Amino acid sequence: GQQVMQIPQYQHVQEGEDFTTYCNSSTTLSNIQWYKQRPGGHPVFLIQLVKSGEVKKQKRLTFQFGEAKKNSSLHITATQTTDVGTYFCAGPRGNTDKLIFGTGTRLQVFP
Amino acid sequence: KAGVTQTPRYLIKTRGQQVTLSCSPISGHRSVSWYQQTPGQGLQFLFEYFSETQRNKGNFPGRFSGRQFSNSRSEMNVSTLELGDSALYLCASSFFGRDTEAFFGQGTRLTVV
Repeated sequence: GQQVMQIPQYQHVQEGEDFTTYCNSSTTLSNIQWYKQRPGGHPVFLIQLVKSGEVKKQKRLTFQFGEAKKNSSLHITATQTTDVGTYFCAGPRGNTDKLIFGTGTRLQVFP
Repeated sequence: KAGVTQTPRYLIKTRGQQVTLSCSPISGHRSVSWYQQTPGQGLQFLFEYFSETQRNKGNFPGRFSGRQFSNSRSEMNVSTLELGDSALYLCASSFFGRDTEAFFGQGTRLTVV
C-alpha cells in the first residue's frame, strides 16, 4: 500500500541552526499537507501544497512540493526553541479521502 | 468558533472490556477521521466518515468500529480491548476531506491494563 516516509526520524539542533525534514511518498500525491505536533499536544495544520514544484513560505519555514508530486520538504531557518515538536507530512491515499501521515521527524532545539 | 472536542481525555480500561470514544467536530465540518497514535507506529488511519457514511477504512481489526450521527458527531468503539490498544486516539474534522486542512482534537489517551 501507499507509504509516506520521512527522514530524519530525529534531529537535535542548536538554537539558530537550520533544520530540514524530507517526505517521500511511494505514490503520486494530489496534495501534501504539513502538520506540527508539540510534545503532549495534537497535530496542528501548517500548510497545504497542491502544485508540482510549489514553494511556500511562512516566516522562517519554507515548504516545497517536488516536481513529480511524490516528495516534499520543510526547511526551518534559524531554529528557535518554540520550533520543538514533531513535524508530519500527510497526503491523501489515491483518489480517496484517506489522509495518510508520514512517519514524522522529531525536532529538538537546544538553547 | 469552537474546535474539535474529544471526550473523555483519559481512560483506563481492563483487557477484554470495551470502550466508546466521542468526537464533536467543528461546526459545519462533515468529514471526521480517526487516528491511532503510538510511539512505535506513528499516526495510523482508522476510518473516515462523511455525512454518516464510512468512506474510508484503515487496516485495523473488526474490533474497531465507528459511526457518525446526523449532527456530524462521531463515536468510535473498541471491543475486547487488548494491551496493544493503549494509545492516543485522535479525531480530526475537515470540511470536505482530503483536500482541506484537518483540525485535530486533543485526543483521548486510552490505557489498557
